[in-house]
Amino acid sequence: DAGITQSPRHKVTETGTPVTLRCHQTENHRYMYWYRQDPGHGLRLIHYSYGVKDTDKGEVSDGYSVSRSKTEDFLLTLESATSSQTSVYFCAISDSPQHPTTDTQYFGPGTRLTVL
Amino acid sequence: AQTVTQSQPEMSVQEAETVTLSCTYDTSESDYYLFWYKQPPSRQMILVIRQEAYKQQNATENRFSVNFQKAAKSFSLKISDSQLGDAAMYFCAAAQGGSEKLVFGKGTKLTVNP
Repeated sequence: DAGITQSPRHKVTETGTPVTLRCHQTENHRYMYWYRQDPGHGLRLIHYSYGVKDTDKGEVSDGYSVSRSKTEDFLLTLESATSSQTSVYFCAISDSPQHPTTDTQYFGPGTRLTVL
Repeated sequence: AQTVTQSQPEMSVQEAETVTLSCTYDTSESDYYLFWYKQPPSRQMILVIRQEAYKQQNATENRFSVNFQKAAKSFSLKISDSQLGDAAMYFCAAAQGGSEKLVFGKGTKLTVNP
């Protein structure tokens, strides 16, 4: 199994509070991704990173920001959480320089976030 | 825009029998890749099988195989000799070559009956 951990695994918070989710990898992979999973929607890409300090937006990036100051860590921040951001969040990594997305992505165990 | 459609929200199969999960996709690109991921109750996303669009031969991984119909833009997953451990959500996904985006279908919940 790819060495990917996510923290916390579960979190309950209140509307309007900031929340940061962490993804940590031990594989030294260049590409990292944040997805959210909601019933009836499958997984949708929020943001991704193609190197330290290099990030870009995905399909559903509004209300989220990311940072990557080290190869091994990719942080997802909800500046002011809303109930619509209640979801399961997955981190993924990939190491194919030519085809980071079309090569295999390995997923973390997920974080269940509930915003009350 | 690339889209992936899984038309079967739920499927069931008897243990030891064969089941086929459907997936269709839409892309204007010629360079793309297709995937099936499995998500058991543990929530872990596990890659089941991967197919490069330029390859004519259908991908196979042990009891899992695909039927890739490029002209019809169809990418179905066949599970042979179904086992109780195959019970899970199955997601079809597609990615265009050079794109940073992996697009998922909404999933099919597979139940395996003993």
